[in-house]
Order: sequence, then structure tokens, then C-alpha cells
Amino acid sequence: EAGVTQFPSHSVIEKGQTVTLRCDPISGHDNLYWYRRVMGKEIKFLLHFVKESKQDESGMPNNRFLAERTGGTYSTLKVQPAELEDSGVYFCASSPPRGTGVYEQYFGPGTRLTVT
Amino acid sequence: RKEVEQDPGPFNVPEGATVAFNCTYSNSASQSFFWYRQDCRKEPKLLMSVYSSGNEDGRFTAQLNRASQYISLLIRDSKLSDSATYLCVVILHGSGNTGKLIFGQGTTLQVKP
Repeated sequence: EAGVTQFPSHSVIEKGQTVTLRCDPISGHDNLYWYRRVMGKEIKFLLHFVKESKQDESGMPNNRFLAERTGGTYSTLKVQPAELEDSGVYFCASSPPRGTGVYEQYFGPGTRLTVT
Repeated sequence: RKEVEQDPGPFNVPEGATVAFNCTYSNSASQSFFWYRQDCRKEPKLLMSVYSSGNEDGRFTAQLNRASQYISLLIRDSKLSDSATYLCVVILHGSGNTGKLIFGQGTTLQVKP
């Protein structure tokens, strides 16, 4: 079974540019999460989709970040315009539907974003 | 105050040693607890869940003390391959909590020959 995939693996952009990160969850996983780790800090939650609906976006830093999950399959996270403090590793994770009793979240390899 | 606190280490131990990591959490609504392992420049992977009664998986033992809001991980007979960062993770349950993971900063373990 294919795991969670993310694209690109690395991205280097200049301040003010736009970047779009993509996440493909494990097939059949309704829950999709975005997390971020900035240098020296803990991994922090950004937002959570159940299928195509945003369940919780309390972790989104500001309105420069826009996440979508059209059709309830893959998700994109757009940063526009990027700022220096957006640099970090962006992880996507997915988990099976609620009611299965399975809480494990499976992580993708992450996208390392550097804003210069 | 951070929601989940860990001693960042690093812990440098010889092969075969026993090492213990501790973690405290601040929110009493925390209901599910995990240890994740993260290798350098890799994604976090679930190591084990932590149950109130304590649980063991081979050389790894996890304990939870709800009264003290404290979680521990014990690794016996350390192997070189155990070198990694160990992340303490909690999930809040109840209304408005949708299963997001709350991470500690991680404890780095380096096992030396």
C-alpha cells in the first residue's frame, strides 16, 4: 500500500513569492492533517480536513496560508506571499475514518520550505 | 507554558544501556498518548501508544500517570539503531477537538558503540 506522499520535497523561494505544497493521503483515509516544524520548535498543527471539509483550521498562522482539498482526495497548501518566518518543514498526515478506533496518523516525508 | 514538555537532551548512552525519557502535558483534557520516533530529516513514525495500565513492546515500555500528567518511555538494551528523536504526543478529546496531534519538542537519543 502506498504511503502518504508530498510534493515537492524541497522548495526554495524568495520572500513575496507564492508556493503550493501538495499532499496525497493514503487511499481511503478521510482525515488529512497539515503540520509544520520551524527551526528549533516543536511540530505544530495547522489544519484538519475530513474529506473535503475543513474541520479545524485553528493552527493556520494567518491569511497568507490557504489549504484546499477539492474532491476529498489530495490537498494543497498555498503560501502567498511567502515570508521569511514561513521557512520550515511542512508535514502532511492522514488517518482512517472516525469510528474505526484508529487514531494513528501516517506522515508523509515532508516538504522543506526555505524562504530567502 | 508549552502544552507538552520534554527534555530535549541529547541523551548519549552506550549500546546496551537502559534509558528513560519523560514528558509532561498541561491539558487535563488530553486523552490519548503516543510516542513517535523521528529519524534525522525524516517524518515522524508511531512508535507506540501509551495506556493507563502501562504497556510494553519488546525493549520499549511506556507508562502514563494521569494524576501527575506525566508520560514516560523506557528503552532497555539500547541499540545503535535506536538513535533518533523521540516525540511525546497527546490528543485532546471532547467537543471541538478533532484528533490533531500535539507534539513535544522531542528528546534526542544518541546510542554509541
